[in-house]
Amino acid sequence: DGGITQSPKYLFRKEGQNVTLSCEQNLNHDAMYWYRQDPGQGLRLIYYSQIVNDFQKGDIAEGYSVSREKKESFPLTVTSAQKNPTAFYLCASSGTGGAGPRENEQFFGPGTRLTVL
Amino acid sequence: QKEVEQNSGPLSVPEGAIASLNCTYSDRGSQSFFWYRQYSGKSPELIMSIYSNGDKEDGRFTAQLNKASQYVSLLIRDSQPSDSATYLCAVKISGGYNKLIFGAGTRLAVHP
Repeated sequence: DGGITQSPKYLFRKEGQNVTLSCEQNLNHDAMYWYRQDPGQGLRLIYYSQIVNDFQKGDIAEGYSVSREKKESFPLTVTSAQKNPTAFYLCASSGTGGAGPRENEQFFGPGTRLTVL
Repeated sequence: QKEVEQNSGPLSVPEGAIASLNCTYSDRGSQSFFWYRQYSGKSPELIMSIYSNGDKEDGRFTAQLNKASQYVSLLIRDSQPSDSATYLCAVKISGGYNKLIFGAGTRLAVHP
């Protein structure tokens, strides 16, 4: 089955600790994204990557870091510099729009719920 | 600041009725529009995409787009309790990469 997996499902972080959220896709998509969702709010873009070994900051990148060493994988690290990290983190992937508008469709993984203790 | 606006709801409809969800956007150059359904505690699921003015139907769902008015809507016919969820409108901004701006969502409650 093609899809996007995220792990862990739940994550607890202590103050001052860095944690890494995993995202893997087998849809052969070039582009991958990380979003954050807070209660009652829309999704906000943290980082995105259109191709291996390249990524760009989104709207709320401060306190986060990413890497894109493989097409299938786009891990997100929440650093101690992120002062309010408690949120629902969503990874998505898509094509890159070159083959038509449907390539813009983004599909989401099941999410990781991060809580700061 | 490019924005997507939705009424937060809740929108309450009886089972079997038509639910109408609305969304307005500020980027006049946007060409791609999406509706996602999100059940409580779950991730968003893409249910409709629309790229041209007019209506697009898929089963009980109809998406409507009016670029001149910068307005996109989702109609759900024969609403079922299982349709109770938050519906997110997303708009691809013009230019650059595949960036979507999401509305905060409309919560739909279908009661028996």
